[in-house]
Amino acid sequence: SAVISQKPSRDICQRGTSLTIQCQVDSQVTMMFWYRQQPGQSLTLIATANQGSEATYESGFVIDKFPISRPNLTFSTLTVSNMSPEDSSIYLCSVGQGGTHNEQFFGPGTRLTVL
Amino acid sequence: QKEVEQNSGPLSVPEGAIASLNCTYSDRGSQSFFWYRQYSGKSPELIMFIYSNGDKEDGRFTAQLNKASQYVSLLIRDSQPSDSATYLCAVNRGSARQLTFGSGTQLTVLP
Repeated sequence: SAVISQKPSRDICQRGTSLTIQCQVDSQVTMMFWYRQQPGQSLTLIATANQGSEATYESGFVIDKFPISRPNLTFSTLTVSNMSPEDSSIYLCSVGQGGTHNEQFFGPGTRLTVL
Repeated sequence: QKEVEQNSGPLSVPEGAIASLNCTYSDRGSQSFFWYRQYSGKSPELIMFIYSNGDKEDGRFTAQLNKASQYVSLLIRDSQPSDSATYLCAVNRGSARQLTFGSGTQLTVLP
């Protein structure tokens, strides 16, 4: 399976600031997704990162708060904007090759703490 | 009703026993079902997936699917302390085959 890296691995940020998280894959992949895992919770899909077009957001997530870019088939960024302590979570990117089953593999995650 | 439901546990089994993890889903149109393992502080790791009714075996792991009952399970035979983790059930949906996760079951295998 593809090797997925994320930067940064963790960060502590101040309220009101923004953080951009990068996801890099060592091979071209069809699908890229961004998830959030709040403390003690399961994973919630934020959006599907579409190559060359606007991301597709899930209910409850908006582009102004979580802008996403995907300039090519190996790279995507997620920005968490105007952060509040409620944004403290682990943010994970995942990749899939599409198709009927579209098995997804996850990056190591970015642990974000907002003070 | 939640889209994907799991017993949150915690579930404790002795070493060498069979651990049984269960999951139900609400969307009858779901096609593929996934089991992920997540160690504390780590990202989810795909164990296996299943899409046909019946059993699918991979080493010590067996996934079982019953679409009529909308039920998926994961059996871990000869459980080891290293199997202690949270197990996440996920179902794919939508045109991009996005995943919807259950809340996870925390498994502890006691030496």
